Amino acid sequence: AQRVTQPEKLLSVFKGAPVELKCNYSYSGSPELFWYVQYSRQRLQLLLRHISRESIKGFTADLNKGETSFHLKKPFAQEEDSAMYYCALRSSNQFYFGTGTSLTVIP
Amino acid sequence: GAGVSQSPSNKVTEKGKDVELRCDPISGHTALYWYRQSLGQGLEFLIYFQGNSAPDKSGLPSDRFSAERTGGSVSTLTIQRTQQEDSAVYLCASSSSGGGITEAFFGQGTRLTVV
Repeated sequence: AQRVTQPEKLLSVFKGAPVELKCNYSYSGSPELFWYVQYSRQRLQLLLRHISRESIKGFTADLNKGETSFHLKKPFAQEEDSAMYYCALRSSNQFYFGTGTSLTVIP
Repeated sequence: GAGVSQSPSNKVTEKGKDVELRCDPISGHTALYWYRQSLGQGLEFLIYFQGNSAPDKSGLPSDRFSAERTGGSVSTLTIQRTQQEDSAVYLCASSSSGGGITEAFFGQGTRLTVV
């Protein structure tokens, strides 16, 4: 069965510090993985997808099939990165979301 | 509009009343999803529509919850005899189906408060 796990509900880092939001998944095929972000009073929106190998707002995420992980990283956190982050897996056009991590960047 | 639209944006209802939440997906998107977002619970899957196929209702928490999608477009989520634990933000999303890169596009949500 498909499952997405985000072990940290809350994460606080200081501005300028590196940040890593953890995501692990269970899936028996080649996964299609995403990170979604929800800023305060805004709708949930796509941050990045693994297949594009892109860097958005300084964030990157590498798919590690051996560890079944898709951690989201940024070398220097900014205050505007404070938001709720969800990892998601797409399978047969169904999206499975983790429980989310609330990131707070302390000035 | 260009995005997923949900109405109403806020709904306050009395315990025991029925409510209907509406979702207008992006035109041409065949897949439509309903999720519930509660504090500390993350995104809880409720129901998934794909074209003319039978919907995946496996996430509906009780038989008080039901959803329809008329004409492959607009969807309505109905909660009967609302309870206080139904209070949450209800999110709708849509996506295109088939192969290729795709993503789910979300509406702004309906905040339901049962008093």
